[in-house]
Amino acid sequence: EAGVAQSPRYKIIEKRQSVAFWCNPISGHATLYWYQQILGQGPKLLIQFQNNGVVDDSQLPKDRFSAERLKGVDSTLKIQPAKLEDSAVYLCASSLGYRRVMNTEAFFGQGTRLTVV
Amino acid sequence: GIQVEQSPPDLILQEGANSTLRCNFSDSVNNLQWFHQNPWGQLINLFYIPSGTKQNGRLSATTVATERYSLLYISSSQTTDSGVYFCAVGLGGSYIPTFGRGTSLIVHP
Repeated sequence: EAGVAQSPRYKIIEKRQSVAFWCNPISGHATLYWYQQILGQGPKLLIQFQNNGVVDDSQLPKDRFSAERLKGVDSTLKIQPAKLEDSAVYLCASSLGYRRVMNTEAFFGQGTRLTVV
Repeated sequence: GIQVEQSPPDLILQEGANSTLRCNFSDSVNNLQWFHQNPWGQLINLFYIPSGTKQNGRLSATTVATERYSLLYISSSQTTDSGVYFCAVGLGGSYIPTFGRGTSLIVHP
């Protein structure tokens, strides 16, 4: 079974530029997450989707970050304009996520390492 | 929100040694996962263990949900076990994994 796919693997941009990341979750997984992991820290949730609806985006810096999952499958995360402190690894994860299933396991992609210079 | 504390923050072992990593959490949860983040940044699923005990080869984990902690045991450690181990927890049908800061493990040959 294919895992969570992310692209690109690495990206270097200058501050104030824009960047977009793509994620394809495991087939059949209704829930999709985007996390930000700064060096030396644990991953921090940015946004959670259930199908194509947003469940939690309370920690997403909405002045510069946006995310969408239009058809309930693939998702994109965009940063515009980027700041130096956005340098981090951006991780996408997915899970079955149906509310009737109380215990579900999340699976992570390989991440995109973003460097803002 | 739920607070997750992992200990120790750093651990250095000789190959063949055993170790225990701990994860404490502040609230009741019904989802708990252990991950290994390898040097390339990939988060590898080790256990999904909201309660009870599981074993997979040299690794085992125990979660005592009523006392709000989980333990990860690594026996006969190998250099390939090096990396950062994360615990993530969550509550409810809409599970949002909340991570600790991790335990950084280095295993020397």
